Amino acid sequence: DTAVSQTPKYLVTQMGNDKSIKCEQNLGHDTMYWYKQDSKKFLKIMFSYNNKELIINETVPNRFSPKSPDKAHLNLHINSLELGDSAVYFCASSHPDFYNEQFFGPGTRLTVL
Amino acid sequence: EDKVVQSPLSLVVHEGDTVTLNCSYEVTNFRSLLWYKQEKKAPTFLFMLTSSGIEKKSGRLSSILDKKELFSILNITATQTGDSAVYLCALGGGGNKLTFGTGTQLKVEL
Repeated sequence: DTAVSQTPKYLVTQMGNDKSIKCEQNLGHDTMYWYKQDSKKFLKIMFSYNNKELIINETVPNRFSPKSPDKAHLNLHINSLELGDSAVYFCASSHPDFYNEQFFGPGTRLTVL
Repeated sequence: EDKVVQSPLSLVVHEGDTVTLNCSYEVTNFRSLLWYKQEKKAPTFLFMLTSSGIEKKSGRLSSILDKKELFSILNITATQTGDSAVYLCALGGGGNKLTFGTGTQLKVEL
């Protein structure tokens, strides 16, 4: 009974390719997030969706496009991958009344060669 | 822009020691301050603090917030090797946004 799940856990790909990471939560939360954690372990928000609507879009290149088919899913599609995209990507979700208490998925380690 | 600074960046202690981790912040619209523990994978939630001076406690871990001086501390007493992790402080500001600090890497040795 995983709360926030992500697939795949590991992704190794060549520069220039397009890839997607999927996220699902079964907590009944309305808000979902994508974070990027770099090699220095710094965790930074990329996007936030509330009930399928985009509410936070930090300064992320247009090559990154989140998609939320329903409030339990938030997928991340990345076009034209670059070396600098290598990182761990975490999905998270939160309850509307306690939105700052976020529950994280296990992460997807993306390596761009 | 909201900012979170954690200190020390890393710390090595022996089992049984007590440690204090620090988090200072700058914020435009304060909602909450949170502490997370990150071992090998996902950050896991420890505490959320919204009011000054009220200690939150869970077992050997405790945390307190000072909204006047803009900082929080996380205390761990009687440390164990299982406490080894990166401890992340995060600021809950407006718009559902969490701003994280760079973390404190704690290593507890036998």
